[in-house]
Amino acid sequence: SSELTQDPAVSVALGQTARITCQGDRLRNYYTNWYQQRPGQAPVLLIYGDSNRPSGIPDRFSASSTGNTASLIITGAQAEDEADYYCNSRDSSADHLWIFGGGTRVTVL
Amino acid sequence: QLVESGGGLVQPGGSLRLSCAASGFTFDNYTISWVRQAPGEGLEWISSISSGGGVDYADSVKGRFTTTRDNARASLFLQLNSLGVEDTGVYFCARDVKHSWLGPGGYYYFYFYMDVWGKGTTITVSS
Repeated sequence: SSELTQDPAVSVALGQTARITCQGDRLRNYYTNWYQQRPGQAPVLLIYGDSNRPSGIPDRFSASSTGNTASLIITGAQAEDEADYYCNSRDSSADHLWIFGGGTRVTVL
Repeated sequence: QLVESGGGLVQPGGSLRLSCAASGFTFDNYTISWVRQAPGEGLEWISSISSGGGVDYADSVKGRFTTTRDNARASLFLQLNSLGVEDTGVYFCARDVKHSWLGPGGYYYFYFYMDVWGKGTTITVSS
């Protein structure tokens, strides 16, 4: 399959933990990246290479990948974490191609 | 920093040319991608152009869109032809990173990701 599948929506209480998953066969061979997109804004790189945080990304964001499933964890969710989250990986058919998951809308209650 | 421009309202079947101006980094060292987002929808990769000018396209735009770059001007261009209503959306340019690291056994591994994004430019295809 050439798809990355995400749950459309996840809710989390303020200060609690949210888990967002991304499934796809390509994740067995390629690393997963995660992006956060707030309404009306450009995506922001949150995690690269399965579990690496770029500088400036809060450490409440963590991620891992096993087999065909990658997970993004928000530990101690804040109101500003309410956003859409997209997983992303290379397309296995060529090194220049990218594919995105459908996105998960995270609501902080 | 990446700044897109050139969006607007265009009729079905029409054409448009988007630009992406880069600053603050050595533009010609990087592959740059175009990613679009239809209203209320997710992100869709549409094209990437390598530092050497090699281009890849998503099937949805192949034959209609053309990506070029001018390294001297640190700029990227997307020529959109035969536009349809399904091409409506925000178009982002993003910098691709190929990040190498030395792993087990002394082999080099690579992370690929998009680390810098423009704010996007909006195309509306409508009669």
